[in-house]
Amino acid sequence: DGGITQSPKYLFRKEGQNVTLSCEQNLNHDAMYWYRQDPGQGLRLIYYSQIVNDFQKGDIAEGYSVSREKKESFPLTVTSAQKNPTAFYLCASSIIGGELSQPQHFGDGTRLSIL
Amino acid sequence: KQEVTQIPAALSVPEGENLVLNCSFTDSAIYNLQWFRQDPGKGLTSLLLIQSSQREQTSGRLNASLDKSSGRSTLYIAASQPGDSATYLCAVNYGGSQGNLIFGKGTKLSVKP
Repeated sequence: DGGITQSPKYLFRKEGQNVTLSCEQNLNHDAMYWYRQDPGQGLRLIYYSQIVNDFQKGDIAEGYSVSREKKESFPLTVTSAQKNPTAFYLCASSIIGGELSQPQHFGDGTRLSIL
Repeated sequence: KQEVTQIPAALSVPEGENLVLNCSFTDSAIYNLQWFRQDPGKGLTSLLLIQSSQREQTSGRLNASLDKSSGRSTLYIAASQPGDSATYLCAVNYGGSQGNLIFGKGTKLSVKP
């Protein structure tokens, strides 16, 4: 079945450590997105990418980094510079272009906590 | 600033009741609007997407309407069931080069048997 796979489901980070969240899609979508969700809050955009080897900062990019070496993969690294990383992280993808805009599809998320 | 507001934040209804969830947005120049469902600890499931040129979309017991001039969308759920219990999120796409979504904080729905 086509879809978006995020791993791991749960992740723990030690002080000063960088951690990487995986996001893979087999939907052949061009665009991929990373959102952060805090309790009782809406989702906020961290980074997005519309094409391989290109990505753009979202609203809350500080302390995060991404890469887009393959169309199917868009990993997110939470660096030690992100002082409040505890949150639920969601990856999404969508088709871009065409006459009508297309819905975004989401993975099941990764919950990141500080040890 | 583009903002999306959902009211109420939480709603509890008895099984079988018809209900309406509300979403309002500050900038009416939208590209599309999407309604999602989120179960606890899970990702988002897309329910309905309304293009800016459309007034409503229907899927089974769900009907979403869009009124751009007033900056409002509603999600109507008919004959609610306990399985409908979840958080419902409204998200607006303002288009442009990003294509990212601006999300409301959601309405947490509980349907009691």
